Amino acid sequence: GQQLNQSPQSMFIQEGEDVSMNCTSSSIFNTWLWYKQDPGEGPVLLIALYKAGELTSNGRLTAQFGITRKDSFLNISASIPSDVGIYFCAGQLNSGYSTLTFGKGTMLLVSP
Amino acid sequence: DAGVTQSPTHLIKTRGQQVTLRCSPKSGHDTVSWYQQALGQGPQFIFQYYEEEERQRGNFPDRFSGHQFPNYSSELNVNALLLGDSALYLCASSLDHYEQYFGPGTRLTVT
Repeated sequence: GQQLNQSPQSMFIQEGEDVSMNCTSSSIFNTWLWYKQDPGEGPVLLIALYKAGELTSNGRLTAQFGITRKDSFLNISASIPSDVGIYFCAGQLNSGYSTLTFGKGTMLLVSP
Repeated sequence: DAGVTQSPTHLIKTRGQQVTLRCSPKSGHDTVSWYQQALGQGPQFIFQYYEEEERQRGNFPDRFSGHQFPNYSSELNVNALLLGDSALYLCASSLDHYEQYFGPGTRLTVT
């Protein structure tokens, strides 16, 4: 099945550093979402974006819906050890249906 | 307010067997979607149920079937299990086409 292109594949950073990751697609999406998944658990919704160009924050997390509707970015400021996990982007193609297309994820490791 | 719940947590089956996984949606949600997540991959959409009917289906064979009950809970059935069906099966609920919230998943191992 189709998957979005997510980069980087993994990141290993020091506590306190800022993190950036992105997601691209060959198709246009009407909604972009970012999820975090911890080992052995289901994905947890972090941020949802509904309009091209939209910039939305959730605490130390900031995400943007690309103007072309084919990409999205997630930034984490002042990382802490509990930010460790796998971050997934997901796109929703049609507003009438909520099926999601996911990227392969970015694994984030934070060193204390 | 209970979130999405799934049962069982883990399951081991043999090739050729059949399996049923269960999902209870978050309170107030009426739509249930099922995803398969292979190791190291993002979730792949299997199908979605709304008003007790399959509304949309991903690229999965007919061995994968489902059901939604009047209380909005749902089941995923997989027949004639293959080794490649080993994965984490995730259920997500939503209120119609709004944000989806995932359950913890069922880890299926086929031997």
